[in-house]
Amino acid sequence: DAGVTQSPTHLIKTRGQHVTLRCSPISGHKSVSWYQQVLGQGPQFIFQYYEKEERGRGNFPDRFSARQFPNYSSELNVNALLLGDSALYLCASSLQAINEKLFFGSGTQLSVL
Amino acid sequence: SQQGEEDPQALSIQEGENATMNCSYKTSINNLQWYRQNSGRGLVHLILIRSNEREKHSGRLRVTLDTSKKSSSLLITASRAADTASYFCATDGVGSGNTGKLIFGQGTTLQVKP
Repeated sequence: DAGVTQSPTHLIKTRGQHVTLRCSPISGHKSVSWYQQVLGQGPQFIFQYYEKEERGRGNFPDRFSARQFPNYSSELNVNALLLGDSALYLCASSLQAINEKLFFGSGTQLSVL
Repeated sequence: SQQGEEDPQALSIQEGENATMNCSYKTSINNLQWYRQNSGRGLVHLILIRSNEREKHSGRLRVTLDTSKKSSSLLITASRAADTASYFCATDGVGSGNTGKLIFGQGTTLQVKP
C-alpha cells in the first residue's frame, strides 16, 4: 500500500509569491494534518482536516489556508510568501480525528528567496 | 511555541551501547508519542504511551512516563548504526479541543558510530 505522498518534493519561490502544496493520505485515512518544520526545530502544527472539515488550526497567519477534497487529499496554500516561510512542510494522515498515530509523508522543502 | 523540551539536544554513542533521551512537557496530556526522523524527511511513529501508563516496551525501545514530573524518557537498547536519526516526543495536550493537534519537542539528534 502506498504511504502518504506529497508534491512537489522541492520548491523555490520568491517573496510575495504564493504556493500550493499537495498531499494524498494513506487509503482509508480521513484525517490530514499539516506541519511546518524549520531547520533544527520540531514540527509545528498548522491545520488538521477530518472528513473535509477543519478540526484545528495552529498559530499561523491568515496567509496560510488549506482544504480537504472528497477523496481526502489535501492542499496547503500560502500567500504573500515571506523569507521566514522557508521550511519543510509535512503532511500526515491518520485513521481518526484524534492523532494517536500519524503517518507522515516525506515533505515538501520550500525555499523562499 | 513548543510544549516539549528534549534533553540532550545531541547524543553520540558507539554501536551496541544504550541511548537514553528525555522529554519534558508543560500541560496535562492524554498520551505521549515518540517519532523518529531520518535526514530531515518524514517522521516515523515509534511508540505511544497513555497518561495512565508508566512504562511501555516495543522491541528495543522502552518508554517511561512520569505525569507528576511531566516527563518521559526513551531508551534504545543495543543501538545500531541504523538508529542514527533525530527523535521527537509529541503530546496531544488535554484541552486542545479534540483538534488532533500534536505538540512536538525540539528533538534529540542521535549518532550511533559503527
